[in-house]
Amino acid sequence: AQSVTQLGSHVSVSEGALVLLRCNYSSSVPPYLFWYVQYPNQGLQLLLKYTSAATLVKGINGFEAEFKKSETSFHLTKPSAHMSDAAEYFCAVKWRDSSYKLIFGSGTRLLVRP
Amino acid sequence: DGGITQSPKYLFRKEGQNVTLSCEQNLNHDAMYWYRQDPGQGLRLIYYSQIVNDFQKGDIAEGYSVSREKKESFPLTVTSAQKNPTAFYLCASSVGGETQYFGPGTRLLVL
Repeated sequence: AQSVTQLGSHVSVSEGALVLLRCNYSSSVPPYLFWYVQYPNQGLQLLLKYTSAATLVKGINGFEAEFKKSETSFHLTKPSAHMSDAAEYFCAVKWRDSSYKLIFGSGTRLLVRP
Repeated sequence: DGGITQSPKYLFRKEGQNVTLSCEQNLNHDAMYWYRQDPGQGLRLIYYSQIVNDFQKGDIAEGYSVSREKKESFPLTVTSAQKNPTAFYLCASSVGGETQYFGPGTRLLVL
């Protein structure tokens, strides 16, 4: 079955440190890939998306993600964490053969230590 | 400003009661979606609609119903058949099958 895996339900970093949130998908065909952020009791906000153009995608708030076909991965990074980055992050995949359905990972909660 | 609104922010349901969650968008998107979010889990698709007067079941449609009489509106009814309705409900919309944009959510609690 097609699936999305986010390694680590919680990630803790110090303010100013590198943020790395992992996402892997199961498919031999490159899908469309998305990262969303969710602050407490709010909806999801789109951070960035990969749609088969450049493999390195830049998003909002200084985040970026790199699509690696050989590793079936789309990890999210930010060079320097801010306290305001503390939130839950979801990776989502839309396979090209299912035009409307998004499959979400289980989410990673990012904690930023002062 | 264009966007998606959901109401109410909090909703309380009594045993055996049907409740309806509202979702409205003024983005002129043709597709709309309902997701359920439980703690520690990703989002699961309940129903989606590609065009007015048409909708399809998602992965967890049992105990829920929807209608799509207007392009802007996609209300979700949580029926008494849904035995575990406590969750955060998110509505989304998109142009065709493109990027989905989300509303602020409704938290449903059982009394």
